[in-house]
Amino acid sequence: ETGVTQTPRHLVMGMTNKKSLKCEQHLGHNAMYWYKQSAKKPLELMFVYNFKEQTENNSVPSRFSPECPNSSHLFLHLHTLQPEDSALYLCASSQDIYRGDGNTEAFFGQGTRLTVV
Amino acid sequence: AQSVTQPDIHITVSEGASLELRCNYSYGATPYLFWYVQSPGQGLQLLLKYFSGDTLVQGIKGFEAEFKRSQSSFNLRKPSVHWSDAAEYFCASNNDYKLSFGAGTTVTVRA
Repeated sequence: ETGVTQTPRHLVMGMTNKKSLKCEQHLGHNAMYWYKQSAKKPLELMFVYNFKEQTENNSVPSRFSPECPNSSHLFLHLHTLQPEDSALYLCASSQDIYRGDGNTEAFFGQGTRLTVV
Repeated sequence: AQSVTQPDIHITVSEGASLELRCNYSYGATPYLFWYVQSPGQGLQLLLKYFSGDTLVQGIKGFEAEFKRSQSSFNLRKPSVHWSDAAEYFCASNNDYKLSFGAGTTVTVRA
């Protein structure tokens, strides 16, 4: 138990569906992240939020839409996805995003395994 | 741009043998460096981290890593591997407020 909880753990959706991934952290952290993990590829950073404000959008297609209503919750809204979007989506949090104070280690959830059919 | 390289895609080691996983980083300043482990179907768990100071850092599960600036390396080691160490291992660095991960090394442990 890392203090970061992701739901659902598994999701199968059609290309015309709309679904959302949820992430919740109980660590009092200020920063939250979405990563995409595809087979045989490095983890790809998708979005970064710090104090509920988006600080990074790593050229992610608009069919992925993040939402951060507060520092403890992060959503990833999905619509009209493609089969190549099938992957493990990992949420992470850290105390802060700035390296100056050293509190930048990330704590990860168990991920949502997404399959687009 | 900061990048992290893990040269070995897959390593097989016998139970009880020693293990060393390689990690190289490319960046001018000293990065913050991490090693994470991922068991099948799970998220990433932090094994250890290096920010500054002693270049040999101890982590959980009997792992250690050594930062070598001259070689731009941060290799992970374990003296005696257990079957439960079979997993995927990721090296990561943090320089400009985001983690950059290597491609990972899969470790297989044979009896």
